[in-house]
Amino acid sequence: DQQVKQNSPSLSVQEGRISILNCDYTNSMFDYFLWYKKYPAEGPTFLISISSIKDKNEDGRFTVFLNKSAKHLSLHIVPSQPGDSAVYFCAASDTGRRALTFGSGTRLQVQP
Amino acid sequence: NAGVTQTPKFRVLKTGQSMTLLCAQDMNHEYMYWYRQDPGMGLRLIHYSVGEGTTAKGEVPDGYNVSRLKKQNFLLGLESAAPSQTSVYFCASSPEGFGNTIYFGEGSWLTVV
Repeated sequence: DQQVKQNSPSLSVQEGRISILNCDYTNSMFDYFLWYKKYPAEGPTFLISISSIKDKNEDGRFTVFLNKSAKHLSLHIVPSQPGDSAVYFCAASDTGRRALTFGSGTRLQVQP
Repeated sequence: NAGVTQTPKFRVLKTGQSMTLLCAQDMNHEYMYWYRQDPGMGLRLIHYSVGEGTTAKGEVPDGYNVSRLKKQNFLLGLESAAPSQTSVYFCASSPEGFGNTIYFGEGSWLTVV
């Protein structure tokens, strides 16, 4: 049973528009959430994170929103750029910090 | 800036053969991890280490062994490879555990035939 779910395997958006990537989790013990970006033939790289004490965190064009009651988080990229085309993984860790659980990833394609 | 380095990057094994994947990090991180990535499954934790001389099981440890004899190295062993172990393997390290960001290597592509 996947505890972190990314239900959209792929997403295509036009350059300059907003990209919204979604992630749902089932484990109520998760309290720290991260997004990683992965290009082909490379390892994932950290993008942005959010603690459960917040509902929003911004870093430049990237904003992560957390809705604890719905156990849902989303990553907004605005404006989207062709260089943002990659696979995005949502990840979560619990209060014991014993495990980082990843979703299955969403492949984002930004069309020029 | 080497960061996290994995060797080898590509390997083809026959069923039943053994091999070791080597991970080295130069950031003096305490924590090190081995993940595998399979289509539609995301990254799953195989084993991890919270410091030199320690190891612990992750989500999918069966068929693998690990060792952390030196702080900078974390070895992943397959004693008797099976086709189900065909995957991309990622090593990672972090300074303070999972709550912090972790840094990944570039991956090792393993095919078991």
